[in-house]
Amino acid sequence: AQKVTQAQTEISVVEKEDVTLDCVYETRDTTYYLFWYKQPPSGELVFLIRRNSFDEQNEISGRYSWNFQKSTSSFNFTITASQVVDSAVYFCAPPSGNTPLVFGKGTRLSVIA
Amino acid sequence: DTAVSQTPKYLVTQMGNDKSIKCEQNLGHDTMYWYKQDSKKFLKIMFSYNNKELIINETVPNRFSPKSPDKAHLNLHINSLELGDSAVYFCASSQGPDTGELFFGEGSRLTVL
Repeated sequence: AQKVTQAQTEISVVEKEDVTLDCVYETRDTTYYLFWYKQPPSGELVFLIRRNSFDEQNEISGRYSWNFQKSTSSFNFTITASQVVDSAVYFCAPPSGNTPLVFGKGTRLSVIA
Repeated sequence: DTAVSQTPKYLVTQMGNDKSIKCEQNLGHDTMYWYKQDSKKFLKIMFSYNNKELIINETVPNRFSPKSPDKAHLNLHINSLELGDSAVYFCASSQGPDTGELFFGEGSRLTVL
């Protein structure tokens, strides 16, 4: 079964700190996609990244970076120099095809000024 | 202009009633989705339509019936509402069924009394 574990339920950091959100997944598929989405207080989910299982290169987008380690089945997300606007619930979706079918409980990140 | 808009945002109703939630996207996307987020924040796909055709139909009671009059609209009708239907329902759209980048609405919170 496809499964993901975000061990951190809640994280609280002070503004400008770096923070890493962990995501460990389980799958028997050889080809799959992984996703990260963000749910700010306004409620709607916001797409952050989709990663193909064949692409193990790390990705950087501004202050956001992702570390994909197939050997440890992890797809961790780091925010550098966190800001108050980064406060949200972050979801890592279990391995799937092109469309994320389910999201877990996520990690609630609070960035304090 | 809101890209994916859902109405109503809040809905409180009695058990046994029938209700509808409407969704419209102005992004010119071909694919639309309904997700359900329960009280524990688990978010799960219910349906997906591509160019008005049903392409994903997860295990959802028959009381839930999606309708896509055109590719910019995907409405969700729920018959004989039950207490367990209380949740936040999210509509989303994507350019196509393979992109993985979903654009979500702000959700419709349904409370069944």
